[in-house]
Amino acid sequence: QVQLQQSGPGLVKSSETLSLTCTVSGGPMRSHHWTWLRQSPGKGLEWIGYVYSSGTTHYRSSLESRLSISIDTSQSQFFLNLSSVTAADTAVYYCAGLYSNVFEIWGQGTMVTVSS
Amino acid sequence: DIVMTQSPVTLSVSPGERATLSCRASQSFSLKLAWYQQKPGQAPRLLIYDASTRATGVAARFSGSGSGTEFTLTISSLQSEDFAIYYCQQYHAWPLTFGGGTKVEV
Repeated sequence: QVQLQQSGPGLVKSSETLSLTCTVSGGPMRSHHWTWLRQSPGKGLEWIGYVYSSGTTHYRSSLESRLSISIDTSQSQFFLNLSSVTAADTAVYYCAGLYSNVFEIWGQGTMVTVSS
Repeated sequence: DIVMTQSPVTLSVSPGERATLSCRASQSFSLKLAWYQQKPGQAPRLLIYDASTRATGVAARFSGSGSGTEFTLTISSLQSEDFAIYYCQQYHAWPLTFGGGTKVEV
């Protein structure tokens, strides 16, 4: 059974880069598209982007200029980097495994607060 | 982007009763609709995909239906563990989008 474990800081300073890691266990990395989402009271659940085991990425257009999602299959990890953060980026961030465009597996979530 | 609108925002029901949740899409599509359940402090959990197919391990009291722009999640007899927020998600087009959720409460 595939499981996801998130790690990374819960507090980021405004204008800096938000970085999170998701570790995949219990299955091969080629099984899913590995994705990041966020959830905030104002915007609800929002898909951010995904990376496939080949390194192919697809990003939400509104975040594309600040976003980088990458993967290290040797470590069974994928990563989120969101630069130049503002208070609007404060949210619970989830990693998830996407299969046929359905979010089949979820990480536990990380509450990230952007401070000034 | 496809906008997903859920109604009602809050649904008050008693254990054992039937709950019917609605999800409307701003564009028509065929069956590319999923439902998730989220409990406080937890990540969402996949319940239904392809509008009506239950995910592995999901109880038979959960059923989905609909196509086009109107979709429904039905919980036939609410159990205590079913009180949660439910979200629909379309995967007909990118970006993948979610509804705002329906909170099912006592």
